[in-house]
Amino acid sequence: KAGVTQTPRYLIKTRGQQVTLSCSPISGHRSVSWYQQTPGQGLQFLFEYFSETQRNKGNFPGRFSGRQFSNSRSEMNVSTLELGDSALYLCASSPGDGGSSYNEQFFGPGTRLTVL
Amino acid sequence: AQSVAQPEDQVNVAEGNPLTVKCTYSVSGNPYLFWYVQYPNRGLQFLLKYITGDNLVKGSYGFEAEFNKSQTSFHLKKPSALVSDSALYFCAVREKGRRALTFGSGTRLQVQP
Repeated sequence: KAGVTQTPRYLIKTRGQQVTLSCSPISGHRSVSWYQQTPGQGLQFLFEYFSETQRNKGNFPGRFSGRQFSNSRSEMNVSTLELGDSALYLCASSPGDGGSSYNEQFFGPGTRLTVL
Repeated sequence: AQSVAQPEDQVNVAEGNPLTVKCTYSVSGNPYLFWYVQYPNRGLQFLLKYITGDNLVKGSYGFEAEFNKSQTSFHLKKPSALVSDSALYFCAVREKGRRALTFGSGTRLQVQP
């Protein structure tokens, strides 16, 4: 079974631009979560989607948004990029409803975003 | 609120020796605990989890972890370290009924040949 895939793997943008990152979960997984990883802040939860609905959101500004499609693929968007948005963005999928708290998440390789 | 602490930024161990990576957690309810490993330029790989039952959990690549409720700890262990175990290790917690995973700050494991 193929793992979680994320595209693109690397991205360079300038301040003020916007960016869209894509995530395809493991086949059959319906819950998708996004995380931001930086050296200073570590791994921080962005949001989680299940059945095309955002179920949970972390403490990030409204510039960060996401969506999920009927095939469970997900995208996240960051508008008006800032230098501090440079990070590794990780997508994770899990089977069933994310409300099943005991399910582990399976992570993709991440998208490395650099904002200049 | 749920939180996780990994008190050591780095752990150094010689190949063949046992290793321990420490993790303590704080939740108001029952915890679900996870360990993940991250290799350079890779995403996180799931190692093991504690849900309920036996306090000693066995996972991938020979790793195991011991859940200690009284000490609110979930330390990762391996009897004999390999150089290839060198990586960044994350402990994570999810309180029962909550959706988001909370990760620790990570511990870099360095296994010397």
